[in-house]
Amino acid sequence: KAGVTQTPRYLIKTRGQQVTLSCSPISGHRSVSWYQQTPGQGLQFLFEYFSETQRNKGNFPGRFSGRQFSNSRSEMNVSTLELGDSALYLCATNSGGEGASGANVLTFGAGSRLTVL
Amino acid sequence: AQKVTQAQTEISVVEKEDVTLDCVYETRDTTYYLFWYKQPPSGELVFLIRRNSFDEQNEISGRYSWNFQKSTSSFNFTITASQVVDSAVYFCALKGLGSSNTGKLIFGQGTTLQVKP
Repeated sequence: KAGVTQTPRYLIKTRGQQVTLSCSPISGHRSVSWYQQTPGQGLQFLFEYFSETQRNKGNFPGRFSGRQFSNSRSEMNVSTLELGDSALYLCATNSGGEGASGANVLTFGAGSRLTVL
Repeated sequence: AQKVTQAQTEISVVEKEDVTLDCVYETRDTTYYLFWYKQPPSGELVFLIRRNSFDEQNEISGRYSWNFQKSTSSFNFTITASQVVDSAVYFCALKGLGSSNTGKLIFGQGTTLQVKP
């Protein structure tokens, strides 16, 4: 089955602009999480969406936002871009339940590499 | 607070050598999950293993093995007879349960493994 698809793979923006990244999950996966990866801070959790609702949020400023659609596809948006927002943005999906099965394995996409000039 | 430490930033070995990647974690939770992911140059994080806090059995999968020791809060990963294709960045991650942890993995800083022919 198809994996997690992220678009675009690469993009270049300038300071002050805004950007929207897209993530299409594996069929049947209803939870979508977003991560930022930078050389200095490593992999950091941004937020998680499930059934079109933000269920969890990391410690990022309000310029970082997201949403999820009824087909589970998710978008994240970064407004008023700063140089420090240059990063690889990774999307991870899973079925969403955490009952008796415990913590589900997150399946990651290849990421969107954002460069802010 | 939850934290994962991978003290080895970079490791370089010659093909066929065995190599162990260290991972130490901190958590106050009694139930938690530990993961290892591999990140090749393509950027996508590839799942290797998931282990829950109640299962301290070591696991072997082909050339890969994992040693989980709750007493020392460590979850180390050994590659036996390394190959050039094992060259990648390896991440150890921790996940708690509950609403504040949905979709959220706490990652270590990663260990870059270079296997030379």
